[in-house]
Amino acid sequence: DAKTTQPTSMDCAEGRAANLPCNHSTISGNEYVYWYRQIHSQGPQYIIHGLKNNETNEMASLIITEDRKSSTLILPHATLRDTAVYYCIVRVWPGNQFYFGTGTSLTVIP
Amino acid sequence: DTAVSQTPKYLVTQMGNDKSIKCEQNLGHDTMYWYKQDSKKFLKIMFSYNNKELIINETVPNRFSPKSPDKAHLNLHINSLELGDSAVYFCASSQGWVTFTMIQFFGPGTRLTVL
Repeated sequence: DAKTTQPTSMDCAEGRAANLPCNHSTISGNEYVYWYRQIHSQGPQYIIHGLKNNETNEMASLIITEDRKSSTLILPHATLRDTAVYYCIVRVWPGNQFYFGTGTSLTVIP
Repeated sequence: DTAVSQTPKYLVTQMGNDKSIKCEQNLGHDTMYWYKQDSKKFLKIMFSYNNKELIINETVPNRFSPKSPDKAHLNLHINSLELGDSAVYFCASSQGWVTFTMIQFFGPGTRLTVL
């Protein structure tokens, strides 16, 4: 069901930028890419979303390739509290189903 | 103020029992969801309601019956509980159903353990 593939796990040094990749090669023209994270079995938390342009908010930046087949979530200055599982999701259109894949487990190392 | 709340946070019960989980959102959203996260941490959508009407039922057994008394509430009732029902159940809400952009807000989860 999930239309995305992500690395299973990544490490990042505290204070450095964390770059989390995602492949979504079958994405359709009007399907958005969403990023959520889940910290230690809490409810998933929205981070950012985009269609084709790069996006930035107070939490992160989202870089989408020109062909839209992949994207990268950037946490500019990772902190220990950013340790979580990060999910890249392509919303299936029409409809509003979110199909979560296995996500990337990011560990921020002191 | 909690945007999406669930009760109870933990639920331990015996096989064969019937139990309910309640969800409330104070965001004024029209659409609410139930997700199940199993022991392998895979998060899967179960149901979606828009304006109190069921719009998604993702091949969930009939033992699971969602009820939406109003737009702010979506409860999940489970009959004849089985061991395989043990999981964390998350409620979520979003502003609307047919929108190109949609952000879902999740509750804190209910950890159900069936013995």
